[in-house]
Amino acid sequence: GEDVEQSLFLSVREGDSSVINCTYTDSSSTYLYWYKQEPGAGLQLLTYIFSNMDMKQDQRLTVLLNKKDKHLSLRIADTQTGDSAIYFCAEKLRRMISGGYNKLIFGAGTRLAVHP
Amino acid sequence: SQTIHQWPATLVQPVGSPLSLECTVEGTSNPNLYWYRQAAGRGLQLLFYSVGIGQISSEVPQNLSASRPQDRQFILSSKKLLLSDSGFYLCAWRGDGGNEKLFFGSGTQLSVL
Repeated sequence: GEDVEQSLFLSVREGDSSVINCTYTDSSSTYLYWYKQEPGAGLQLLTYIFSNMDMKQDQRLTVLLNKKDKHLSLRIADTQTGDSAIYFCAEKLRRMISGGYNKLIFGAGTRLAVHP
Repeated sequence: SQTIHQWPATLVQPVGSPLSLECTVEGTSNPNLYWYRQAAGRGLQLLFYSVGIGQISSEVPQNLSASRPQDRQFILSSKKLLLSDSGFYLCAWRGDGGNEKLFFGSGTQLSVL
């Protein structure tokens, strides 16, 4: 089936690293994404990784992909209070639905709370 | 640069009333447009998507409908709202290229009472 799972909450101390985990079900997914949602706002694309990569680093963000276990993680180094938000993992299914659209499946989101 | 506008930001409507949420995109032509709903504690659910004017595809059967009267305008509607229609509605457009990046509007918080 189509399912992306994430833990719902994560609390970290300011300055520590945060690791948000995600598991997905479609082994043929081509792209996997991390989106950030601040309170009352829409989703903002943080980063994405192509399925033939194991790791992608972008400044404080590191994405790790374990295709064998269908596990994706987002590491935020030196977590700041401004990083407090909900983080969504999403996968792009290879198969197309009607109209030729490759569907994106989103997880329920992980709420990251950063405390001093 | 491309921008996406969505309004209103919040809406409180009684059960049985009509609904119209609007989304417009600037800076791009013939975008793929999407309506998602985010229920509390759940992931985003794709409601509708459109690849062009007048072309609407629905992902799930529901009380809502969508229309695309212009290239960069996408409207979510209902004739009679249900309590279960409450949620956070997000409009999005898809970037170019095969990576399927979605860019989201700021969302509309709909409360049906």
